Amino acid sequence: NAGVTQTPKFRILKIGQSMTLQCTQDMNHNYMYWYRQDPGMGLKLIYYSVGAGITDKGEVPNGYNVSRSTTEDFPLRLELAAPSQTSVYFCASTDRQLYEQYFGPGTRLTVT
Amino acid sequence: GESVGLHLPTLSVQEGDNSIINCAYSNSASDYFIWYKQESGKGPQFIIDIRSNMDKRQGQRVTVLLNKTVKHLSLQIAATQPGDSAVYFCAPQAAGRRALTFGSGTRLQVQP
Repeated sequence: NAGVTQTPKFRILKIGQSMTLQCTQDMNHNYMYWYRQDPGMGLKLIYYSVGAGITDKGEVPNGYNVSRSTTEDFPLRLELAAPSQTSVYFCASTDRQLYEQYFGPGTRLTVT
Repeated sequence: GESVGLHLPTLSVQEGDNSIINCAYSNSASDYFIWYKQESGKGPQFIIDIRSNMDKRQGQRVTVLLNKTVKHLSLQIAATQPGDSAVYFCAPQAAGRRALTFGSGTRLQVQP
């Protein structure tokens, strides 16, 4: 199993541009999550999904959108990039609540 | 919202010594706790977990202690090795909440 994969690894965006961060897991997990991590800080939850077709907001959802059309994929969309969205983005998945989450390697995004 | 704090943002230890990383949490409804290790440039990796009906759990070279009375948990690493150098996060989760809450982490530096 590849586990949780994320693309791209790095990206530089100009203010106002849009992009989609891809996340795929091959463990057949129902639960998937998007976090952002600012330098020297912990992870903050952006959005999560408990199954295909179901998504919900986390702690810091503004400026982001998600969709979950399949069990495997959970893309994160930035519509109008802002410098405040410069961060490292991690996708994670798990097969049940109250259980360890498996994290991808992250996408480092810079908005200038 | 829940706050998760750490007593020591940076811990420096000598190789071979034991390390203790502390974590305080505020939500008394938290009933599941995970410790993650995050190496530079990588996503968090599961180390050990503990449920609220336990006060101690041991793994390979690691022990987690939970004190629900004072809402505190600790991660003990025996015979610390250079490969243990990383940032360590505790992540409490409360039943009915679908996501983990991460603190800012403690950086462990192992001196040779």
